[in-house]
Amino acid sequence: GIQVEQSPPDLILQEGANSTLRCNFSDSVNNLQWFHQNPWGQLINLFYIPSGTKQNGRLSATTVATERYSLLYISSSQTTDSGVYFCAVRFGSSNTGKLIFGQGTTLQVKP
Amino acid sequence: DAGVIQSPRHEVTEMGQEVTLRCKPISGHNSLFWYRQTMMRGLELLIYFNNNVPIDDSGMPEDRFSAKMPNASFSTLKIQPSEPRDSAVYFCASSRGNEQFFGPGTRLTVL
Repeated sequence: GIQVEQSPPDLILQEGANSTLRCNFSDSVNNLQWFHQNPWGQLINLFYIPSGTKQNGRLSATTVATERYSLLYISSSQTTDSGVYFCAVRFGSSNTGKLIFGQGTTLQVKP
Repeated sequence: DAGVIQSPRHEVTEMGQEVTLRCKPISGHNSLFWYRQTMMRGLELLIYFNNNVPIDDSGMPEDRFSAKMPNASFSTLKIQPSEPRDSAVYFCASSRGNEQFFGPGTRLTVL
């Protein structure tokens, strides 16, 4: 079936460390978004990245659509980066429709 | 822009009572989504509207759930009667084609 798989499920880092989060998906997509759910439960948009590479400050993301994966890079991590990171995709070719969420990567950054 | 607005932010009710959750999408967005987040099932779509018309309600768990979008700036999700297993965070999201933006969510507790 259609799947979105994220790894690792949990990650503990020391402040200042770098990390890479991975999202694998089972079919072609026309939308891929990365979200950060902070400890207060808010879902914050990080990247809209169905293909290619984007950077925003200490965060960057790369999606290789032909190989069905996306990577989120966090550099020089800070305690405020803690929370759950979700990858969500929309399968198919339509420009409307639901996002399918992965189960998330829970990140804890220790001071 | 105020972002997606949801109310109430928290709701505590007793089993059997009717619950109504409200959402105001971002102005100009023509798609609106209702998602539910639980520990067991993660984030899952309940229903989405395009141009105020329900497109996919396959995620609505049962007839106790109903959703309406009477105009482009307002939507409701109603649960009647509510049950303890409905306890979850309910998110509303909106988009204009591609990137979806989420509201702060309503945390529902059914006792």
